[in-house]
Amino acid sequence: KAGVTQTPRYLIKTRGQQVTLSCSPISGHRSVSWYQQTPGQGLQFLFEYFSETQRNKGNFPGRFSGRQFSNSRSEMNVSTLELGDSALYLCASSLGTGGITEAFFGQGTRLTVV
Amino acid sequence: AQSVAQPEDQVNVAEGNPLTVKCTYSVSGNPYLFWYVQYPNRGLQFLLKYITGDNLVKGSYGFEAEFNKSQTSFHLKKPSALVSDSALYFCAVRHSNTGKLIFGQGTTLQVKP
Repeated sequence: KAGVTQTPRYLIKTRGQQVTLSCSPISGHRSVSWYQQTPGQGLQFLFEYFSETQRNKGNFPGRFSGRQFSNSRSEMNVSTLELGDSALYLCASSLGTGGITEAFFGQGTRLTVV
Repeated sequence: AQSVAQPEDQVNVAEGNPLTVKCTYSVSGNPYLFWYVQYPNRGLQFLLKYITGDNLVKGSYGFEAEFNKSQTSFHLKKPSALVSDSALYFCAVRHSNTGKLIFGQGTTLQVKP
């Protein structure tokens, strides 16, 4: 069974640009969550999608957005990039929503903003 | 506020010795608790979870965790550490209202030969 796939693995962008990250969940999983990981802030929840609907949202500015498609694949978009957006972005999929079933994480996308 | 605390930034143990990585939590209602491990440049891997039932939970790679409701703790343990256990460990709790996972800051485990 294939795991969670995130693309691309590495990305370098310039301040002010926008970026789109992709996540393909484990087959059959309908919930996709996104996290930002930085050395200073640790793991911070961005948002969760279930059946194409955003179920939860973390405390991030509106520059961070996401969506989920009918096949459960999800994309995350960051507009007007800032240096502080440099981080490892992790996607996790789970069977259900609500945080009761364990989440399976992808390897992440390492975003560097210069 | 609902939260998770991992009081140790780093834990050092010798190979073959038992290890403990500490975690305490604050959450409304019954807690749903998880441990994850992260190897360098990788995503998080699920180790074990506590939802209900036996306070001693067994997980992957020989790890186990003990749930203690009175101390609001969920410490990760392993009877005999391996060098390959060296990694970053995260404790997480499910937010009782939103269902999102709240992670601790992580504890680096260093197992020396």
